[in-house]
Amino acid sequence: AQTVTQSQPEMSVQEAETVTLSCTYDTSENNYYLFWYKQPPSRQMILVIRQEAYKQQNATENRFSVNFQKAAKSFSLKISDSQLGDTAMYFCAFMKHVWGGADGLTFGKGTHLIIQP
Amino acid sequence: NAGVTQTPKFQVLKTGQSMTLQCAQDMNHEYMSWYRQDPGMGLRLIHYSVGAGITDQGEVPNGYNVSRSTTEDFPLRLLSAAPSQTSVYFCASQRRGADNEQFFGPGTRLTVL
Repeated sequence: AQTVTQSQPEMSVQEAETVTLSCTYDTSENNYYLFWYKQPPSRQMILVIRQEAYKQQNATENRFSVNFQKAAKSFSLKISDSQLGDTAMYFCAFMKHVWGGADGLTFGKGTHLIIQP
Repeated sequence: NAGVTQTPKFQVLKTGQSMTLQCAQDMNHEYMSWYRQDPGMGLRLIHYSVGAGITDQGEVPNGYNVSRSTTEDFPLRLLSAAPSQTSVYFCASQRRGADNEQFFGPGTRLTVL
């Protein structure tokens, strides 16, 4: 079984600052995917960024980037030029790779990110 | 495409009552799943299905039943609701063997008194 740990229950930064959210995971799998999901007050789950474990290059999506350290089982999310709309719960999630199939997500407990004006 | 839809959005039950949470997707996704989200917790997998006629248990299946008679629909049944089942429930779907993004419905907030 996999576990995902987010050690920062809440973080607060000023608008336009850069913030990094931490995530560590534990697994015996070699092929897997890691995700960051955003959940605003509307409670809709929104995919922010995705990383395939076999790719050494860190994923980036506009202002969002990850630092994926496979050996350390670490997967942090960096948000640059933070905006008020980034205020939300952020969940780190793990999915093991299934050939030709799909699997469930294992989530961390989340980090509540607050962007102050 | 409507994506993943869930009904109802809110529901209040009394202990011992039964109900079905509905989930439908119009993306022809093979994989569908149900999660629950409790305060201070991430989402936890209840049941999942890899295709019509096939279901399996996730991390927290007790007290819930599912069936998958069509590709589009994946209802979640509570046979005898308990206060411990008070939660927000999310349905998700995913195309099998593709880019592994799961698409989530808007959630159902369930309160069991």
